[in-house]
Amino acid sequence: AQSVSQHNHHVILSEAASLELGCNYSYGGTVNLFWYVQYPGQHLQLLLKYFSGDPLVKGIKGFEAEFIKSKFSFNLRKPSVQWSDTAEYFCAVNARSNDYKLSFGAGTTVTVRA
Amino acid sequence: EAGVAQSPRYKIIEKRQSVAFWCNPISGHATLYWYQQILGQGPKLLIQFQNNGVVDDSQLPKDRFSAERLKGVDSTLKIQPAKLEDSAVYLCASRGGYNEQFFGPGTRLTVL
Repeated sequence: AQSVSQHNHHVILSEAASLELGCNYSYGGTVNLFWYVQYPGQHLQLLLKYFSGDPLVKGIKGFEAEFIKSKFSFNLRKPSVQWSDTAEYFCAVNARSNDYKLSFGAGTTVTVRA
Repeated sequence: EAGVAQSPRYKIIEKRQSVAFWCNPISGHATLYWYQQILGQGPKLLIQFQNNGVVDDSQLPKDRFSAERLKGVDSTLKIQPAKLEDSAVYLCASRGGYNEQFFGPGTRLTVL
């Protein structure tokens, strides 16, 4: 079975600070990896995804993530956060062998102070 | 392209009452998912449909939860009777031919 762990429950930053959110997964086969964001009062939106190829993936709003297969990790980064990045961030994994069912981490709440 | 629609957005009921949620996926998406998101946790899959058939309902508490997708388009998730621990956001998602799920806004259920 797939499982996902996110290292931080709540992160508080000042604007212009750099952000890195950790994500580790456990699964024996080939996986697809995702980061979703949920802004206050809004629905889940896809930030970025990794299926194959270049392990450094760039997403929307200046976010990027790096897949490190040997570490089973898919950490999310943003060099300089804005107040509008305040949201909850979820790492998720699925696999074709599991019919693409998503397994989510518990989420990290990011609060950016102006 | 219209997104995934869900209704109602909010529902407050008392324990032991019944409740139903509705989802209309993106047009043409064959796969539909229902997730439960309890406060402070990530979404957890309840059930997956492929067209009008159930693919996986192993995580659905079948003694009180039921779901259907009779015509292979919209879907209904029902809880009867509700318990306090069912308070959560219920998310519907759909997927077309590619590996990306699109989520609806969710229904926030509060059981008193």
